[in-house]
Amino acid sequence: EAQVTQNPRYLITVTGKKLTVTCSQNMNHEYMSWYRQDPGLGLRQIYYSMNVEVTDKGDVPEGYKVSRKEKRNFPLILESPSPNQTSLYFCASRDRGTYGYTFGSGTRLTVV
Amino acid sequence: EDKVVQSPLSLVVHEGDTVTLNCSYEVTNFRSLLWYKQEKKAPTFLFMLTSSGIEKKSGRLSSILDKKELSSILNITATQTGDSAIYLCAVFTRDDKIIFGKGTRLHILP
Repeated sequence: EAQVTQNPRYLITVTGKKLTVTCSQNMNHEYMSWYRQDPGLGLRQIYYSMNVEVTDKGDVPEGYKVSRKEKRNFPLILESPSPNQTSLYFCASRDRGTYGYTFGSGTRLTVV
Repeated sequence: EDKVVQSPLSLVVHEGDTVTLNCSYEVTNFRSLLWYKQEKKAPTFLFMLTSSGIEKKSGRLSSILDKKELSSILNITATQTGDSAIYLCAVFTRDDKIIFGKGTRLHILP
């Protein structure tokens, strides 16, 4: 089944403890992206990647890192999480020339 | 700054009613407009609109783009409780960015 898989689905962590949210897609898509969704603010793009080793900042990149060493994987790294990074995170992918993203199921992160 | 504005933010109607959701945009490099439906978790793709005035239809849902007015509407006729969701509008730009609106939360009462 074609899908975008994120892990974990839920995560509660403490301030300052590094964490990684994994994202993997099995559709051979070139484009991948990370979003966060907050009440009243909608979906905001954190980082995106147009291909292996090609990444760029979205609208809210501060406090996050990404890497794209392989086409299928696009992990989101929080080196020192803070409470304002408590949010619902979505990974998404699409192919070149198509506009509709396929979204993962989301990761609800709470930083205390 | 590019932005996408949806209205209303929230809407409650009874089953069987028809609803119209609005999306307006101000972007410098418009390519297409996208509609998504978000139920419990991940948004799912509904429509992509590129040309003005051409209606896209899928069952009871339809959407149309007005490039002159920089807006789009999403219509849902004969609503059902399963239509309850957040509906997201997004604009895809020529420099490959997607800008999402904040969404319209639709609740259908039985």
